[in-house]
Amino acid sequence: DIQMTQSPSSVSASLGDRVTFTCRASQGIGSWLAWYQQKPGKAPKLLIYGASSLQSGVPSRFSGSGSGTEFTLTISSLQPEDFATYYCQQANSFPLTFGQGTRLEIK
Amino acid sequence: QVHLQESGPGLVKSSETLSLSCTVSGGSISSHYWSWIRQPPGKGLEWIGYIYYSGSTNYNPSLKSRVTISVDTSKNQFSLKLSSVTAADTAVYYCAKVGAIREFDYWGQGTLVTVSS
Repeated sequence: DIQMTQSPSSVSASLGDRVTFTCRASQGIGSWLAWYQQKPGKAPKLLIYGASSLQSGVPSRFSGSGSGTEFTLTISSLQPEDFATYYCQQANSFPLTFGQGTRLEIK
Repeated sequence: QVHLQESGPGLVKSSETLSLSCTVSGGSISSHYWSWIRQPPGKGLEWIGYIYYSGSTNYNPSLKSRVTISVDTSKNQFSLKLSSVTAADTAVYYCAKVGAIREFDYWGQGTLVTVSS
């Protein structure tokens, strides 16, 4: 199985900050990577697919980059509704696997 | 806009079979892949498996011996059966639509299934 490792496991930031999350794959996955946002008690919401394609309806302050084994999700200017847990998911090979998540908290 | 809704018992006894259904509305179940994903309380996400509308399946090897996913195109539904459950199977179970690059683009709200002894 491909292991997905996210860092940091949690981060504190303030409104307006630029924040970057990292996701590393245990082997190369090309651009087969998605990012999700999950708020407490809710289903995950797709933000980015194909490593850098923004899902329809997702604000442009979210962006994704990377290929191979290292990927990043960036929020350019934090808004109140962005405080949540973020997960990456590899879609290159089966079984499909997720990272353990990065929790974004208000400073 | 595709909408997914899980249904099924919220409490299952240990060693019995967990059964859930997912009803798809706002679009046809045909020509797409559909998946089940679970999340134990306070933990991360685990992919269980997926099914194509034609019935072909792909399961997570960690659960493969206990999982069956089926589809009923006439009802626009797909279903999950997980046999011989234990407390470790207690989780929120989500159904989701699989996108073109195997991302999960639409999700149900999730349903908590608790396995009791």
